[in-house]
Amino acid sequence: GAGVSQSPSNKVTEKGKDVELRCDPISGHTALYWYRQSLGQGLEFLIYFQGNSAPDKSGLPSDRFSAERTGGSVSTLTIQRTQQEDSAVYLCASSPPQATTYNEQFFGPGTRLTVL
Amino acid sequence: AQSVSQHNHHVILSEAASLELGCNYSYGGTVNLFWYVQYPGQHLQLLLKYFSGDPLVKGIKGFEAEFIKSKFSFNLRKPSVQWSDTAEYFCAVGSSGSARQLTFGSGTQLTVLP
Repeated sequence: GAGVSQSPSNKVTEKGKDVELRCDPISGHTALYWYRQSLGQGLEFLIYFQGNSAPDKSGLPSDRFSAERTGGSVSTLTIQRTQQEDSAVYLCASSPPQATTYNEQFFGPGTRLTVL
Repeated sequence: AQSVSQHNHHVILSEAASLELGCNYSYGGTVNLFWYVQYPGQHLQLLLKYFSGDPLVKGIKGFEAEFIKSKFSFNLRKPSVQWSDTAEYFCAVGSSGSARQLTFGSGTQLTVLP
């Protein structure tokens, strides 16, 4: 079946602009995660959605970052007033209900964000 | 808070050499453990996972990992690497019984020379 998809695959923006990154999880997956991967670094957790529960936003680095998940499916990560340090690959992952107690996550291809 | 350490940032091996990548974690509770691999130009893929039971787990492409609870380690091994194993390898830890996020190590870049 189809995997996690993300769009755009690449995004170049100017400092100060807002950007929106989209994630389509695998159909039927109830949990959705956003991570950030900076050059030479591991994955940094940003935000986690589980069903209709309030999201866990504990990983968001600043109030310029926000995310929503509509209808329990598609998610959008928004970065306002982008800064150069926001340049990274933004990864989305999802988990099926039966795996959520075991953390197994399926990753999308990522969006490479470059802030000039 | 959880943390994961991967001690080798870049490993270079010749084909047929044996591989062991170290992974140590810090967490006081019961954990689930994962190794993910990212081949050049591709997205993260699950290599293997440990939830419970036999601490020696086998994954795809001949990889295996051993969970040593007393050492808080989950090292990845392969007896004979191939050029196609060139990739970045990430160790990750999650809290058992929780659907929450994984904590990742910083990754190890493996280069296998033909």
